[in-house]
Amino acid sequence: EPEVTQTPSHQVTQMGQEVILRCVPISNHLYFYWYRQILGQKVEFLVSFYNNEISEKSEIFDDQFSVERPDGSNFTLKIRSTKLEDSAMYFCASSGHGGYQPQHFGDGTRLSIL
Amino acid sequence: QKEVEQDPGPLSVPEGAIVSLNCTYSNSAFQYFMWYRQYSRKGPELLMYTYSSGNKEDGRFTAQVDKSSKYISLFIRDSQPSDSATYLCAMSLKNQAGTALIFGKGTTLSVSS
Repeated sequence: EPEVTQTPSHQVTQMGQEVILRCVPISNHLYFYWYRQILGQKVEFLVSFYNNEISEKSEIFDDQFSVERPDGSNFTLKIRSTKLEDSAMYFCASSGHGGYQPQHFGDGTRLSIL
Repeated sequence: QKEVEQDPGPLSVPEGAIVSLNCTYSNSAFQYFMWYRQYSRKGPELLMYTYSSGNKEDGRFTAQVDKSSKYISLFIRDSQPSDSATYLCAMSLKNQAGTALIFGKGTTLSVSS
């Protein structure tokens, strides 16, 4: 069964450094998403992306965040200058098009900011 | 006011029991309702999604939506130890792709053999 894959599974970064989280969505999906889950809290929406543009973003997705589809298979989330509070699980998801299509999630990248 | 509320549990049941998991929500504009299962150190795995009020069945799982009460449920029949996981409800405001999902906090279920 097709799946969303995310790399790396765990990323450790010094505060203030830039980090890029990578995702390979399901191949025929056209909508891509990033969510995060701080330990012990809810899964929270960050951003959705379609046709090389942001479709929707939350208040969390401020200027330190950016997303990109650098090629036909990858989807990335960049955090420009990481803060301690950016430590969380980051989940990528993708969905098809044509009416409502549910979102399918990867297994996440655990980001630890030191 | 929290948008989606879900009792975190933990909920412990013996193998074979019927499990009922529930979420309430405050925003009557939610249109799509989903249940995800999340095993430890894994991402949310879609179990079921539904649009209208009523029941939807898939194997041992039944999803129920009551829009008038703003209440959704997931029933698991003949529960198995492999069902031990955290169950997340999620909701969408719009009937289109690209829309944010709003999640509950999740209920942790433990099924003992």
